[in-house]
Amino acid sequence: GQNIDQPTEMTATEGAIVQINCTYQTSGFNGLFWYQQHAGEAPTFLSYNVLDGLEEKGRFSSFLSRSKGYSYLLLKELQMKDSASYLCAVMDSNYQLIWGAGTKLIIKP
Amino acid sequence: ETGVTQTPRHLVMGMTNKKSLKCEQHLGHNAMYWYKQSAKKPLELMFVYNFKEQTENNSVPSRFSPECPNSSHLFLHLHTLQPEDSALYLCASSQEDERRELFFGEGSRLTVL
Repeated sequence: GQNIDQPTEMTATEGAIVQINCTYQTSGFNGLFWYQQHAGEAPTFLSYNVLDGLEEKGRFSSFLSRSKGYSYLLLKELQMKDSASYLCAVMDSNYQLIWGAGTKLIIKP
Repeated sequence: ETGVTQTPRHLVMGMTNKKSLKCEQHLGHNAMYWYKQSAKKPLELMFVYNFKEQTENNSVPSRFSPECPNSSHLFLHLHTLQPEDSALYLCASSQEDERRELFFGEGSRLTVL
């Protein structure tokens, strides 16, 4: 079966760096997405990786290793507003999105 | 503001009621989706429409009935629901390109009594 694993919850300190991991086992691969979802709000797109390596976008970076079935989302200079759930999703060979259950990130002052 | 609007934001209904959820997208996308989001579970894809034609129905019970009158509007008709159907129902849209980045609405929080 197809599976996405990510930690249920993480806690970090304002101003620090946090890495949220995502491992996947899917039937084929056509890209990996990270979405951010604040409580009571819509998920919003953060990043898309289809080739191996690091994609940087401001304070957020996303890394992909297709051979290891692994990605991470790196958040730098954490701010209180970064408290949210982070959803990892992989597009399989049929262009179906397989979702992880999400990682709830708690930022403490 | 994501360009995808859902109404109502909150809905409480009894098991014998009939209600509908509405979604409208202002992005010119040609694909629209219904997802179910339950606490601590992955998003569950329910229905997909491409150019108004239903292309997927992921074994969803018949008490959920989708309708897509045009490429900008999507409905989810609800009848004789069960308490376990209580969840956040998210609508999304995308272009049918290789990336298919999803734009979500803020969801309709459904409680079935």
